[in-house]
Amino acid sequence: NAGVTQTPKFRILKIGQSMTLQCTQDMNHNYMYWYRQDPGMGLKLIYYSVGAGITDKGEVPNGYNVSRSTTEDFPLRLELAAPSQTSVYFCASGTRENQPQHFGDGTRLSIL
Amino acid sequence: GQNIDQPTEMTATEGAIVQINCTYQTSGFNGLFWYQQHAGEAPTFLSYNVLDGLEEKGRFSSFLSRSKGYSYLLLKELQMKDSASYLCAVMDSNYQLIWGAGTKLIIKP
Repeated sequence: NAGVTQTPKFRILKIGQSMTLQCTQDMNHNYMYWYRQDPGMGLKLIYYSVGAGITDKGEVPNGYNVSRSTTEDFPLRLELAAPSQTSVYFCASGTRENQPQHFGDGTRLSIL
Repeated sequence: GQNIDQPTEMTATEGAIVQINCTYQTSGFNGLFWYQQHAGEAPTFLSYNVLDGLEEKGRFSSFLSRSKGYSYLLLKELQMKDSASYLCAVMDSNYQLIWGAGTKLIIKP
């Protein structure tokens, strides 16, 4: 039982490059989330989805895009990487809004 | 604005009891979660409180007072493996989680 799987685990990007952070879950959860975690700060919600074909902005969506074509996959796209996007990114899934979220192992992204 | 406050760091001794406090000011309340996060790892769910009172789960208990905007996580019989950060998160009126910065708990032998 894999749970929530994120790839890659680590990545270094140059300013202005683009990339996609992959997230897939095998628990048939409708709800999926993308967070970023910066040192000394709480997790910040970037985007979330309540089901295939439905996405919505969280607290810090600028500079990111998402899609949800299937229940399992919820990729996060950075179009023009900026140093301020250096962070640890976590994908999570859940059955309903007020149920526990299950997290992937994270992607550690550095932009230089 | 919305705000979650937790102590930045706490130190306790193996075998002892520690209480980690969390105070919150949010637009609406739909429950409070506690997660554990070991260094370099993902957060994992510990407890959920939506009604006032104490929820006990093994060595861990969580308390909520909605009128005071206050919760605590109580860890008993501390073990070295309990060294981690403990994250408090409140679900607001939009059913989005607002996270505290976490409390780093250091356990000494």
